[in-house]
Amino acid sequence: DAKTTQPPSMDCAEGRAANLPCNHSTISGNEYVYWYRQIHSQGPQYIIHGLKNNETNEMASLIITEDRKSSTLILPHATLRDTAVYYCIVRVAIYNAGNMLTFGGGTRLMVKP
Amino acid sequence: AAGVIQSPRHLIKEKRETATLKCYPIPRHDTVYWYQQGPGQDPQFLISFYEKMQSDKGSIPDRFSAQQFSDYHSELNMSSLELGDSALYFCASSLYDNSWYGYTFGSGTRLTVV
Repeated sequence: DAKTTQPPSMDCAEGRAANLPCNHSTISGNEYVYWYRQIHSQGPQYIIHGLKNNETNEMASLIITEDRKSSTLILPHATLRDTAVYYCIVRVAIYNAGNMLTFGGGTRLMVKP
Repeated sequence: AAGVIQSPRHLIKEKRETATLKCYPIPRHDTVYWYQQGPGQDPQFLISFYEKMQSDKGSIPDRFSAQQFSDYHSELNMSSLELGDSALYFCASSLYDNSWYGYTFGSGTRLTVV
């Protein structure tokens, strides 16, 4: 799976948009971009994933550049409860393959009042 | 909605003792993954099972073993515990045919070895 690079930490004001970048310059054509977050000592939580099109769900938006070498997770109106470590994971998504996720080098987002 | 259930939530053991952690996946999920997270560390993949067979193996020590049962629940057995085994242990589940969509994690078991 492709390696990802994220800033180690970021701050965001409550109510503002949080934009979390991720570089994955060696991503392959069959690799998806996944975002998970881990609120202190809780189990990681799936947020969103995408291949090449921008994606949006009730939690966040995912913007993937046209060359797919980087992406941005957007939390549109950050709240204090969004304070967590955010992991960008690039992974081959093959039907019929229960392959594992590899966590590493996430961004610690601190949402401040 | 039902989530992944892990038990116990907390466990304190002495060195060289044995511990068993249990994981009950979301109903109809057939794949289970185990992760270990030490203090200040990222979750590290240990092992996974699909239909009671081991499907992937990560950095799981030889002192640890795991299995998945016919009802799809899984148990992680840890023997000869060491101080360094103190960590959060997470279990996650997914549908094998739909695992590309993402996993659901449990709340974890905090193991403290003293």
